Amino acid sequence: SQQGEEDPQALSIQEGENATMNCSYKTSINNLQWYRQNSGRGLVHLILIRSNEREKHSGRLRVTLDTSKKSSSLLITASRAADTASYFCATAGSARQLTFGSGTQLTVLP
Amino acid sequence: EAGVTQSPTHLIKTRGQQVTLRCSPISGHTSVYWYQQALGLGLQFLLWYDEGEERNRGNFPPRFSGRQFPNYSSELNVNALELEDSALYLCASSYFREGNTQYFGPGTRLTVL
Repeated sequence: SQQGEEDPQALSIQEGENATMNCSYKTSINNLQWYRQNSGRGLVHLILIRSNEREKHSGRLRVTLDTSKKSSSLLITASRAADTASYFCATAGSARQLTFGSGTQLTVLP
Repeated sequence: EAGVTQSPTHLIKTRGQQVTLRCSPISGHTSVYWYQQALGLGLQFLLWYDEGEERNRGNFPPRFSGRQFPNYSSELNVNALELEDSALYLCASSYFREGNTQYFGPGTRLTVL
């Protein structure tokens, strides 16, 4: 079963704009991770944020985590056409396997 | 360093048949995870193997099984295939010292006719 929902389900923006995706989850977590998937192939790990962290940056990516609201957001700044992909949040609790959200399909128009 | 590899890339089977999917983890990773990504159902956890043992399984029937070999590679077996088994099967590996970061292979696309 899915841990939570991602919002929006689909997002279309112009190149150079920022893209924000949100993720909500239901149970307590050790960390939350974001992955990207291009065209139904393998997932690429983007960033991991631990439950005791509130914000993390990696290049053009900024992730926030609010454990009191059980939510996270992923911001991609200055988006490029190559950022077009599906983005998934995944939570890791006491069990080692990941529980994925439903994903956001991002389309960046040139 | 080589990433996670999976074989075959694509597979077409008919209902009732059996299939074996293979996964080689990143060198040094001892944990292997299997996930199913079926259309409309998202990514669902199937199985987790670590040090040759099955550590956890998701909400799937027993006809989904697997094993992990001494070199940490893994097989996923699906018996008595059903149409709804059509999906992308993803394998991931991890090293416990990296928290729970999982590195995914390209997947095997299974089509059941």
